[in-house]
Amino acid sequence: ETGVTQSPTHLIKTRGQQVTLRCSSQSGHNTVSWYQQALGQGPQFIFQYYREEENGRGNFPPRFSGLQFPNYSSELNVNALELDDSALYLCASSLARVAGDDEQFFGPGTRLTVL
Amino acid sequence: DAKTTQPTSMDCAEGRAANLPCNHSTISGNEYVYWYRQIHSQGPQYIIHGLKNNETNEMASLIITEDRKSSTLILPHATLRDTAVYYCIVVYTVTGANNLFFGTGTRLTVIP
Repeated sequence: ETGVTQSPTHLIKTRGQQVTLRCSSQSGHNTVSWYQQALGQGPQFIFQYYREEENGRGNFPPRFSGLQFPNYSSELNVNALELDDSALYLCASSLARVAGDDEQFFGPGTRLTVL
Repeated sequence: DAKTTQPTSMDCAEGRAANLPCNHSTISGNEYVYWYRQIHSQGPQYIIHGLKNNETNEMASLIITEDRKSSTLILPHATLRDTAVYYCIVVYTVTGANNLFFGTGTRLTVIP
C-alpha cells in the first residue's frame, strides 16, 4: 500500500468523448506525475505537477491536460478520445526533494478502454 | 536522456539470490539509477535508488559500478511473490521534473 489512490478502477468510453481520471496523493506530497501504460509496454511519462503548476511534460498532445489541487488530489483530462488512448493510466506522488533524488509512489491505476 | 538496457527475462530458484543486471552507459554524473517493479498490471512499486554508492534497504541491494555505466539489483532471497517485471531507470530532469523513463524491463520468474 502506497497511500496513493485512483478512481475509477475501470472506465469505458467511445471515440471522441472526454474523460477525467482522479488521483489522491500521499499526504504531504507536493508533486504528482501521470503515466500512460499501453498493454505490454512500460509506463510512458505524460506530465508532472508541482504545487499546482505543470512542471514538465512528455511527448503527449495538448488534449492531455491536468490539474493539481491543494488537498493532494489531482486530475488527468483527455479530450477527443482516440482508440490508441486505451491504456492503464497511473499517477505517482512524491515529495520533490533534490532533483533526481525523489522516489515516486504509484497508485493502482485506472484502466481506460476506448471503443 | 540516458537509456537503459536490461535482459528481457530471467528465472531464479526460490530462496536463491536474484541478480538483475542493467546497462546505462550514457548516464550523466548527476543522474540517479532507480529500480521499480510491477506485478501483473498493478502500479509500479519503488524498490531502491542510488547515485554512486551501493545501497541496501529491506527489499534489495543496489550495486553500481565505479564508472556508473552499469548496475545490479540483488534480491537476496527470492520468493514466489517477487515474480514481476523489474525496471531499471535513469532519472533525468526536464524543466525540474524528475521523469521516469521506463523501458521494457526484465521479467523475473521465481521458480519453486
